Amino acid sequence: DTGVSQDPRHKITKRGQNVTFRCDPISEHNRLYWYRQTLGQGPEFLTYFQNEAQLEKSRLLSDRFSAERPKGSFSTLEIQRTEQGDSAMYLCASSYEGRHTDTQYFGPGTRLTVL
Amino acid sequence: QQQVKQSPQSLIVQKGGISIINCAYENTAFDYFPWYQQFPGKGPALLIAIRPDVSEKKEGRFTISFNKSAKQFSLHIMDSQPGDSATYFCAGIKAAGNKLTFGGGTRVLVKP
Repeated sequence: DTGVSQDPRHKITKRGQNVTFRCDPISEHNRLYWYRQTLGQGPEFLTYFQNEAQLEKSRLLSDRFSAERPKGSFSTLEIQRTEQGDSAMYLCASSYEGRHTDTQYFGPGTRLTVL
Repeated sequence: QQQVKQSPQSLIVQKGGISIINCAYENTAFDYFPWYQQFPGKGPALLIAIRPDVSEKKEGRFTISFNKSAKQFSLHIMDSQPGDSATYFCAGIKAAGNKLTFGGGTRVLVKP
């Protein structure tokens, strides 16, 4: 079991550019979550998928954010027209419904810096 | 709305001492309370967790105490070691788990 992986680990972009992050969950996990963590704060929920269906989105997820999970495997999070306020660590987590449902395992995160 | 309040924001403890972190929650629908440990530049890692029908859970040097009536729970790190220096987050989640609601975090520094 290789754990949750995220790519890239770091991304520096200029304001107004689009960025896309990828998350590969633990292979048998059917739930996948995205969180955002700013410096000195706890992670905040953005959205989650069960298989390929996006079941909940936070109000933090503005129109510039979109997440997909085609085929219920990996997921992508895209931010369009980035703003300096988007600078944060974007964390992905996965879990398996039906067994240890509440246990979410986190990846190492993608740190986004918007200049 | 901060549904999980965590204190203190930071603490310094000598090696071998006890670190105590407290959390209070508002949402009575929460039925699972994990603690996560996070090192700089890394994602949070599950440390220990408890359900509200249990008043205490111990795993090695880590113990959770839970007070359902007060809607409070705490993490005790016994015999603290320099390798325990990290940020600790408490969290709550509702049944059929969807989103974790995290506290603000406690930065623990264990001095040798």
